[in-house]
Amino acid sequence: AQKVTQAQTEISVVEKEDVTLDCVYETRDTTYYLFWYKQPPSGELVFLIRRNSFDEQNEISGRYSWNFQKSTSSFNFTITASQVVDSAVYFCAISNFGNEKLTFGTGTRLTIIP
Amino acid sequence: GAVVSQHPSRVICKSGTSVKIECRSLDFQATTMFWYRQFPKKSLMLMATSNEGSKATYEQGVEKDKFLINHASLTLSTLTVTSAHPEDSSFYICSARDLTGPGNTIYFGEGSWLTVV
Repeated sequence: AQKVTQAQTEISVVEKEDVTLDCVYETRDTTYYLFWYKQPPSGELVFLIRRNSFDEQNEISGRYSWNFQKSTSSFNFTITASQVVDSAVYFCAISNFGNEKLTFGTGTRLTIIP
Repeated sequence: GAVVSQHPSRVICKSGTSVKIECRSLDFQATTMFWYRQFPKKSLMLMATSNEGSKATYEQGVEKDKFLINHASLTLSTLTVTSAHPEDSSFYICSARDLTGPGNTIYFGEGSWLTVV
């Protein structure tokens, strides 16, 4: 069975600060995908990134960056120069290769204070 | 790009009635779709896998007779909550993977808020 732990239930930072959301996963599979989704108050899930287990390169997309460390089973997400629009619940998730079923973490509610 | 759409986005129904939620892939075909349920301020829990042309596969603990899933075409899956009760009130969201798109991304619908009164 796979498991995702997002230990930070809620985080509040002042606008323009950097913030890192932690994600630790457990899996017995050697190949897997990791995901991050953003859920604004309206409810929809916005896809942010998918990373396969073979690719440990860190990725940067604008103000967003992700740090994948297989050695510690972590896939952390950093928002640089946070903005109020970043306020949302962020979910980390994992799936098997070729399996579209996702196991989600419990989410981190991020509030950016203007 | 690929879009997954759900309808209705919000629905209120009376206890004992049934309500149907649709999940459509707008730009691609999906032989498999997934239904998740999310209680307020909680995580998303997979309910079932919807398979086009065959029976859905339910996760442990999910009542298949209560949550009827039909995947009648390659772009449409429906979830029917039968004999709804207030405890069925929740946020239901579906997903599908675009196998033809870049990176085989899994897309989620906008979700459907169900309130049973």
